[in-house]
Amino acid sequence: ETGVTQTPRHLVMGMTNKKSLKCEQHLGHNAMYWYKQSAKKPLELMFVYSLEERVENNSVPSRFSPECPNSSHLFLHLHTLQPEDSALYLCASSQDPSGRANYGYTFGSGTRLTVV
Amino acid sequence: KNQVEQSPQSLIILEGKNCTLQCNYTVSPFSNLRWYKQDTGRGPVSLTIMTFSENTKSNGRYTATLDADTKQSSLHITASQLSDSASYICVVSAGSGGSYIPTFGRGTSLIVHP
Repeated sequence: ETGVTQTPRHLVMGMTNKKSLKCEQHLGHNAMYWYKQSAKKPLELMFVYSLEERVENNSVPSRFSPECPNSSHLFLHLHTLQPEDSALYLCASSQDPSGRANYGYTFGSGTRLTVV
Repeated sequence: KNQVEQSPQSLIILEGKNCTLQCNYTVSPFSNLRWYKQDTGRGPVSLTIMTFSENTKSNGRYTATLDADTKQSSLHITASQLSDSASYICVVSAGSGGSYIPTFGRGTSLIVHP
């Protein structure tokens, strides 16, 4: 394990469901991130939290709602998703409090989400 | 617009052979460049990081090079092993005054056959 733990590993949900993805890091990092990884596309940044404050919301639809209750935990709340939202959702953390991640990311193993 | 282009898109080699993956970028101002390895079903793991003043960095059988003048980087894998089968992602971060968000390449998918 990398020190960043994501649950669940796999999730299948209907378009009317509400679910949440969880991320936990025990590295003492200051910033946490949600990324979306779709087939044959670069990783897409969704949200950045630095010192528990959201510093980036990269034009993500409102059906995705992040929550960062403390510096070790990050959630992504999902509701009324579309089939095109099916992807691998990666959480990452970084020492860099600016959120720029110039110190590099530590990624979790991701949640494979399928929307049916 | 910041971009990172990787080639080839996919590569198949025999176990024990060497290979080289390419990364071209237009990120400005440049801060650093990282190569990540992503195994199937896992998150990316950092292999190397290079700043402007560094032109080569090794991590075991992995050697990355950087030419900041031509804005190119390569990742050379020596004596490939089956466990090297993965996606290799080039990520470039901008310096002060540049984009806040690191720019990711699409990755090169490497398959090593026995």
